[in-house]
Amino acid sequence: GAVVSQHPSWVICKSGTSVKIECRSLDFQATTMFWYRQFPKQSLMLMATSNEGSKATYEQGVEKDKFLINHASLTLSTLTVTSAHPEDSSFYICSARESNEKLFFGSGTQLSVL
Amino acid sequence: SQKIEQNSEALNIQEGKTATLTCNYTNYSPAYLQWYRQDPGRGPVFLLLIRENEKEKRKERLKVTFDTTLKQSLFHITASQPADSATYLCALDEGSQGNLIFGKGTKLSVKP
Repeated sequence: GAVVSQHPSWVICKSGTSVKIECRSLDFQATTMFWYRQFPKQSLMLMATSNEGSKATYEQGVEKDKFLINHASLTLSTLTVTSAHPEDSSFYICSARESNEKLFFGSGTQLSVL
Repeated sequence: SQKIEQNSEALNIQEGKTATLTCNYTNYSPAYLQWYRQDPGRGPVFLLLIRENEKEKRKERLKVTFDTTLKQSLFHITASQPADSATYLCALDEGSQGNLIFGKGTKLSVKP
């Protein structure tokens, strides 16, 4: 199946710093990628839909100035958590569509903000 | 409001038995439903997709049913093995932008 690579797998940062997470589709082109956040024992919550060459579409309640998304190419989307705070600590996962239906997920990034 | 429920937060079964997981939804009319497996600290992995006009789909030891009248999908793992222990998520297409809405998942533990 299709492969989506997400980096880094985990990151620890100080409060107030910014963290960038990369999501790459390795063997297919993804015009659309999705960013999710998952808290322990909770479902994946969609944060935003990343569209190549255009602005991301954010879900209600997600601050676009805090979670910056850039989808500069058909194989790369990045999520930058700006001025991170402890409440931003979570598991962030990206996904991309290879076909119209199946989603392929990255391995996730565990963010811990001290 | 739209809702997806996976009734059991956790399910413990003995090796060799059949595990049955339930996914119910309300206020949706999905064109298809998907099941994913998620291991701790990892992203979900696609398992099966079943369309609204399909009653049942199988893949090796996995079987999924989809009842659009009951608004329910059942996910079965036959001859379960300890390696099947994981959290299983059901997901429905949200419709407008092509993203998926996920249930909270059921954590399956298969004991040897």
